[in-house]
Amino acid sequence: KQEVTQIPAALSVPEGENLVLNCSFTDSAIYNLQWFRQDPGKGLTSLLLIQSSQREQTSGRLNASLDKSSGRSTLYIAASQPGDSATYLCAVKDGAGNMLTFGGGTRLMVKP
Amino acid sequence: DTAVSQTPKYLVTQMGNDKSIKCEQNLGHDTMYWYKQDSKKFLKIMFSYNNKELIINETVPNRFSPKSPDKAHLNLHINSLELGDSAVYFCASSHASGIAEQFFGPGTRLTVL
Repeated sequence: KQEVTQIPAALSVPEGENLVLNCSFTDSAIYNLQWFRQDPGKGLTSLLLIQSSQREQTSGRLNASLDKSSGRSTLYIAASQPGDSATYLCAVKDGAGNMLTFGGGTRLMVKP
Repeated sequence: DTAVSQTPKYLVTQMGNDKSIKCEQNLGHDTMYWYKQDSKKFLKIMFSYNNKELIINETVPNRFSPKSPDKAHLNLHINSLELGDSAVYFCASSHASGIAEQFFGPGTRLTVL
């Protein structure tokens, strides 16, 4: 059974810092991995999708990497801003039904 | 031009009642999903459905049932609501392909009193 873990659970940084969020998964037989952002009381916004054959994806200040063999992904946020404050979730897709298995999230606070 | 929409946004009800949450997507996707986010913010899959098969997470009580009138809709019916059903329920959709990205609705916050 797939298990997804995100470290750290919470992170507080000053504005302008570069930061890395970590995601690990136990079963490397995945189709893809998605990073989401969730603001308090809101839904999920898809940030980046990495297919199993890819090593990384970039969107603006965000860069996500995938090392399928070791069961790890990282989300790199450059030059963090207070508006980046949110919970970041990673999820992997594997097995039947195309269902996503989510990690517990990293709650990020960027202080002005 | 909402992609995945859910109604209602908030639902407050008494224990024992039966309720439904509606979900619609206008993305032309053929697979839809329901996820539950509990009080600790942990998201778990409940169902995956396309017009060929329904896949149920084995931990979901049979009081929960998805119903799809057509490809664009997947409603969630809950019978005999319990306190522990209080959570935020998210609908999502994607193409059937394993590599397809999933898009999520805004969520429905269910509170059972």
